[in-house]
Amino acid sequence: DTGVSQNPRHKITKRGQNVTFRCDPISEHNRLYWYRQTLGQGPEFLTYFQNEAQLEKSRLLSDRFSAERPKGSFSTLEIQRTEQGDSAMYLCASIQTSGAYGYTFGSGTRLTVV
Amino acid sequence: AQTVTQSQPEMSVQEAETVTLSCTYDTSESNYYLFWYKQPPSRQMILVIRQEAYKQQNATENRFSVNFQKAAKSFSLKISDSQLGDTAMYFCAFMKRQGGSEKLVFGKGTKLTVNP
Repeated sequence: DTGVSQNPRHKITKRGQNVTFRCDPISEHNRLYWYRQTLGQGPEFLTYFQNEAQLEKSRLLSDRFSAERPKGSFSTLEIQRTEQGDSAMYLCASIQTSGAYGYTFGSGTRLTVV
Repeated sequence: AQTVTQSQPEMSVQEAETVTLSCTYDTSESNYYLFWYKQPPSRQMILVIRQEAYKQQNATENRFSVNFQKAAKSFSLKISDSQLGDTAMYFCAFMKRQGGSEKLVFGKGTKLTVNP
């Protein structure tokens, strides 16, 4: 494993289009997190998975957002009908047993909605 | 709800000198963890140092140390012998200790520039 991998690194899309991001966590890590980071802000929690189960969603995750983690492996985050306010860095992170020892973050996907 | 405040949006320091980044937080929890994460330009966020709230001893990791004042809800990061590679955004983060999502609550970050 080379760490948490996120694709694509950058995405430019027109307002109203749908986009999907992928995160491949470290293989033995059973928890996977999505965060959103806007300019000048710290990352904000969006959702997390324990294996394939999505256990918590932030109120930031409107009904245009959906996340999946089939078979407890990689995860996808889809944004439907994108808006300019969705422009941000989307970070994925994974942990093995406890976040108390720190997350392993991916490099993020930077979304620009024009 | 927990909040984390970093009052210094930007700081700069000369190479080899010492710099301290400030962080305060608000919580009603008694058991929690505090972290400093580093985010270099266009690179992934990495853990710098962590502190368990029930431990009074301040954490240290090589050139990085913290001043944890639980009663004051303060958690500052000291970087000694600053190096050019320390240039990055630094985020203070809070995590509840027991159960639940173990999600992180971040501050807005401090942009640190180390000058040669």
